[in-house]
Amino acid sequence: GENVEQHPSTLSVQEGDSAVIKCTYSDSASNYFPWYKQELGKRPQLIIDIRSNVGEKKDQRIAVTLNKTAKHFSLHITETQPEDSAVYFCAASSNDYKLSFGAGTTVTVRA
Amino acid sequence: EPEVTQTPSHQVTQMGQEVILRCVPISNHLYFYWYRQILGQKVEFLVSFYNNEISEKSEIFDDQFSVERPDGSNFTLKIRSTKLEDSAMYFCASSEETGDRADTQYFGPGTRLTVL
Repeated sequence: GENVEQHPSTLSVQEGDSAVIKCTYSDSASNYFPWYKQELGKRPQLIIDIRSNVGEKKDQRIAVTLNKTAKHFSLHITETQPEDSAVYFCAASSNDYKLSFGAGTTVTVRA
Repeated sequence: EPEVTQTPSHQVTQMGQEVILRCVPISNHLYFYWYRQILGQKVEFLVSFYNNEISEKSEIFDDQFSVERPDGSNFTLKIRSTKLEDSAMYFCASSEETGDRADTQYFGPGTRLTVL
């Protein structure tokens, strides 16, 4: 089955700096890669996703890049703000029914 | 904005007891899912459900688990005889159908199950 590895497990950045989280996946058939943000005690919320027919997608301060050859994808957050502090999960899916998640990255933005 | 809802938010049960976790997916969604997250571990897929049947299940989803859509709004996960290792946060999710595939999965707030 699919195995998704996520790094780093924790990330502390100064407000205004960029944050980068990286994920690798094992199943070459995976074609859908969402990122979820989970604040303490709240539900995971989709922040951005990418499908395998594109290499990069951007939404304001958030961007995701995908390298299918290397089987890795990354989340980039620019101009970080305190409200970006949360746990971020990457996931991969080959059939849209089952998401395989990474272990999560705890991001702390220092004011 | 419509959201997935789950009840209860916290369930405490004795080992060996049956529990039913309830979810109300977003109303126009056709795909439903259960995931679980053991404390400190990654979110794990349990099962997906479409057109009144299971479309995929993981190796975790053994005979003690079952899912049901008893009416037009609820989606339930039943654990027949709970074990200590079933203690986890259980998330329900739903997605609508776009073309011939499931779209983005929207998650509920979770039910924290504690088995004593």
